[in-house]
Amino acid sequence: NAGVTQTPKFRILKIGQSMTLQCAQDMNHNYMYWYRQDPGMGLKLIYYSVGAGITDKGEVPNGYNVSRSTTEDFPLRLELAAPSQTSVYFCASSRDSPAETQYFGPGTRLLVL
Amino acid sequence: RKEVEQDPGPFNVPEGATVAFNCTYSNSASQSFFWYRQDCRKEPKLLMSVYSSGNEDGRFTAQLNRASQYISLLIRDSKLSDSATYLCVVFSGSARQLTFGSGTQLTVLP
Repeated sequence: NAGVTQTPKFRILKIGQSMTLQCAQDMNHNYMYWYRQDPGMGLKLIYYSVGAGITDKGEVPNGYNVSRSTTEDFPLRLELAAPSQTSVYFCASSRDSPAETQYFGPGTRLLVL
Repeated sequence: RKEVEQDPGPFNVPEGATVAFNCTYSNSASQSFFWYRQDCRKEPKLLMSVYSSGNEDGRFTAQLNRASQYISLLIRDSKLSDSATYLCVVFSGSARQLTFGSGTQLTVLP
């Protein structure tokens, strides 16, 4: 099992550009999450999904969109990138509850200039 | 007040030392508690869950005090490989999400 995979590993964007961060898991987990981690800060939940076709906002959803068309994939869309979105983005999954072990991908480092 | 507060450290300890990290949480309705470990520039990984009666996993012992809203992690006989950032994590059923502390950085020195 690959676990949770993310692409790209690193990206530089210009202000106003858009991009999609890809996330996939092969553990047949129902729950998937997107977090961002700023330097010296805890992870903040952006969006989460409890299953294919179902998504909900987390603590910091503004400027982002998600979709979940399959169990495996949970892409995060950034529209009109801003310097405040410079961060490390982690995708995670868990089987049936946020309170179960969450398995994280290796992260995407995003720099918006 | 932050929902989950940790001493950021850094803690620099020699190999073989015992070190303890503390964490406080503000939501009295929190239901589940965890310690995650995050190596430099890597993803977080679950180290251990924290149970009300306290629990141990090898050299690691976790304690929970619900009355004081306080969680601790004790590492005995520190190894170089224990160097990492330790994240205190709390789950609230009402929010249905994990809340992460900002982490405590540990460096074990040879």
